[in-house]
Amino acid sequence: EPEVTQTPSHQVTQMGQEVILRCVPISNHLYFYWYRQILGQKVEFLVSFYNNEISEKSEIFDDQFSVERPDGSNFTLKIRSTKLEDSAMYFCASSEQGGIAKNIQYFGAGTRLSVL
Amino acid sequence: KNQVEQSPQSLIILEGKNCTLQCNYTVSPFSNLRWYKQDTGRGPVSLTIMTFSENTKSNGRYTATLDADTKQSSLHITASQLSDSASYICVVPLSGGYNKLIFGAGTRLAVHP
Repeated sequence: EPEVTQTPSHQVTQMGQEVILRCVPISNHLYFYWYRQILGQKVEFLVSFYNNEISEKSEIFDDQFSVERPDGSNFTLKIRSTKLEDSAMYFCASSEQGGIAKNIQYFGAGTRLSVL
Repeated sequence: KNQVEQSPQSLIILEGKNCTLQCNYTVSPFSNLRWYKQDTGRGPVSLTIMTFSENTKSNGRYTATLDADTKQSSLHITASQLSDSASYICVVPLSGGYNKLIFGAGTRLAVHP
């Protein structure tokens, strides 16, 4: 069964450093997403991406965050200057359909980001 | 405020027993509700999607119900197995947005032999 692949599974970085989290969405999917889950808390929406542009973002997704689809298969999340509070599990997801009803988002296994 | 609340926070049952997990939401306007299963250290996996016109939907041993009037949903698991041990998360898309999902905190289910 096709799946969303995320790398690395665990990223350790120093505060202030830039990190890039990578995702390979399911190949025929057109909509891409990033979520994060701070340890012990709810999964939170960060951003959705379609047709090479951000379609929606949350208040968490500030100027320190950016997303990119550098080629036909990868979808990346960049954090420019990491803060301690960025430590979380970051999930990438993709869906074949957009809109509200009936789009099933398939999630990757996540990247655990630890900011020291 | 658009919120999804779940109960109980955690639940322990014996293998073979049934259980029911609850979800209340205040997301409006409402379009559909999803139940996801999240194994420890893994991403959420979709179990079922229910639109406002559906009252009940089954997926194997999982049966979800929806009451759009009271804004409540439940997930019933029958004949539980050890592999059912996971967090079960109720998720409601924020209509008006593109695909923004509002997640509940989940119910952590532990099935013991």
